[in-house]
Amino acid sequence: GAGVSQTPSNKVTEKGKYVELRCDPISGHTALYWYRQSLGQGPEFLIYFQGTGAADDSGLPNDRFFAVRPEGSVSTLKIQRTERGDSAVYLCASSLGQGSDTQYFGPGTRLTVL
Amino acid sequence: AQSVTQLGSHVSVSEGALVLLRCNYSSSVPPYLFWYVQYPNQGLQLLLKYTSAATLVKGINGFEAEFKKSETSFHLTKPSAHMSDAAEYFCAVSTGGGNKLTFGTGTQLKVEL
Repeated sequence: GAGVSQTPSNKVTEKGKYVELRCDPISGHTALYWYRQSLGQGPEFLIYFQGTGAADDSGLPNDRFFAVRPEGSVSTLKIQRTERGDSAVYLCASSLGQGSDTQYFGPGTRLTVL
Repeated sequence: AQSVTQLGSHVSVSEGALVLLRCNYSSSVPPYLFWYVQYPNQGLQLLLKYTSAATLVKGINGFEAEFKKSETSFHLTKPSAHMSDAAEYFCAVSTGGGNKLTFGTGTQLKVEL
């Protein structure tokens, strides 16, 4: 079946601009996660949705970052007033929703802020 | 708080040799532990996971890992390396509730002829 998909695969923007990154989870997965992976680092947790609600947003670095999942499926990560330090690969994952369940990752969106 | 330490950012082995990638975790509650592999320009793929059943966990591609509570370790091994094993490997911990994974910084595995 189809895996987790993310669009766009690459995004180049200028400092101060607004960007949206999209994630399509595996059908039937109630849990959805966003992570950020900087060069040479492991992925860092940003936010976790269970259904439509954000169950844990403790990883969002500041109020420029926001994510939504209005219908409990597709999610959008929104970044306002982008900064060069936001450049990274943004990963999305989905799972059936229990703690031991496997998180299936998408290929990521590489964001470059010039 | 939970954390993961992966000793050795780069490991090089000869084809056919034993692969050993180290992972130590810190968690105040019984953890779930995972190993993921990331090939160039691809997403993370689960190799194996520990979920409080058997302490020796077998995964895909001949990899296995042993959960040792006394050592707070979950090292990844493979008896005989293959060229196709060259990739970056991440250890991760979750403390349940269906929530976040905390990843280590990764180990780049190189396999030489």
